[in-house]
Amino acid sequence: GVTQSPTHLIKTRGQQVTLRCSSQSGHNTVSWYQQALGQGPQFIFQYYREEENGRGNFPPRFSGLQFPNDSSELNVNALELDDSALYLCASSAPDGYGYTFGSGTRLTVV
Amino acid sequence: RKEVEQDPGPFNVPEGATVAFNCTYSNSASQSFFWYRQDCRKEPKLLMSVYSSGNEDGRFTAQLNRASQYISLLIRDSKLSDSATYLCVSKAAGNKLTFGGGTRVLVKP
Repeated sequence: GVTQSPTHLIKTRGQQVTLRCSSQSGHNTVSWYQQALGQGPQFIFQYYREEENGRGNFPPRFSGLQFPNDSSELNVNALELDDSALYLCASSAPDGYGYTFGSGTRLTVV
Repeated sequence: RKEVEQDPGPFNVPEGATVAFNCTYSNSASQSFFWYRQDCRKEPKLLMSVYSSGNEDGRFTAQLNRASQYISLLIRDSKLSDSATYLCVSKAAGNKLTFGGGTRVLVKP
């Protein structure tokens, strides 16, 4: 399946954070979502073949990478208190088949 | 206005009862629709896809009304284990999923 690390993280406002995701075998499309408490997940961006090919309404301090083995990173610079959320990674085939979420990374910014 | 809107609930349901709830979507370009289930502090998991003809999976029935742009989910013979948040999801071209805020269902003995 899709694995994410770390599971929990506490950071201080202004710091930078990197979250990691390993795709399900055979999946080469990775998407990242932010889920604030009590809300539905919000699309951050998607990567296919190591390039970003879709982005939601998030500022440039949210950036990502996809590696040749289809694993992915989400980087957030200059953390703000409102960045506290569950960050979900999902992998799928390019046509969306088999869309699968990881168990998420819970980020707390203090 | 949010692209996918849901009643947040909670819907308090006696065990064995039927519960139904809807969501509405505003993007007429949406091509596919889904219901996801999310347990507390866990990741969303696909419950079922939603088709215009209506589809059923055991005790769960989903329906899509494109003319009115709403999606429904009905749960029959509710079990305690059905307590969760149900997320309505639309997908336009590409793989981006647009989630509603979720409807919380609490099934009580």
